[in-house]
Amino acid sequence: VQLVESGGGLVQPGGSLRLSCAASGFTFRSSWMSWVRQAPGKGLEWVAHIKPDGSDKYYVDSVRGRFTISRDNAETSLYLQMNSLRAEDTAVYYCTTEDWYRSDSWGQGTLVTVSS
Amino acid sequence: QSALTQPRSVSGSPGQSVTISCTGTSSDVGGYNYVSWYQQHPGKAPKLMIYDVSKRPSGVPDRFSGSKSGNTASLTISGLQAEDEADYYCCSKAGTYKVFGEGTKLTVL
Repeated sequence: VQLVESGGGLVQPGGSLRLSCAASGFTFRSSWMSWVRQAPGKGLEWVAHIKPDGSDKYYVDSVRGRFTISRDNAETSLYLQMNSLRAEDTAVYYCTTEDWYRSDSWGQGTLVTVSS
Repeated sequence: QSALTQPRSVSGSPGQSVTISCTGTSSDVGGYNYVSWYQQHPGKAPKLMIYDVSKRPSGVPDRFSGSKSGNTASLTISGLQAEDEADYYCCSKAGTYKVFGEGTKLTVL
């Protein structure tokens, strides 16, 4: 299993960013996927997860309405569109496979910094 | 969606056993047998150590074990080794969501 995140960087408050996760080594189209983040020096926080066919998506309260999780099974890629970014969204964002609410495999993470 | 409660830190000497607790509510830990534990070394991605309360993924030493009683789950590490020094996080299903614990720093003395 290989998960490679990209798209992180520095963005101003109120701005937008789209994270991508390229997946390989497993049957992506059959797998739930999730995003988990970790603010600098802080703990892990589940952000969102998405059903294999993309029909169901769930979010932590703090990002609902601002972030959108999506996937392209043909491209075996997972995405996180982040809008109206706030300083408290600053974190390393990890892409993970998910099976019955456990994150089996993790990417190396991509850092998002929201600052003026 | 409040974080599960873990002790901030625990410690033990090589060869000893330590237990890390993870306390939630009947809406998360107590309501489902979907508790998992993750080990994270500094600067690294987390690694799954225990799932479904007490199951170990292949490759995880049997020194790591998990259990649950009521709204509290526990991770026990026996025969402590230097490489076990890391941060540990619990995680539970909470309805259609997931919630992580606050994290526990394990120091091997």
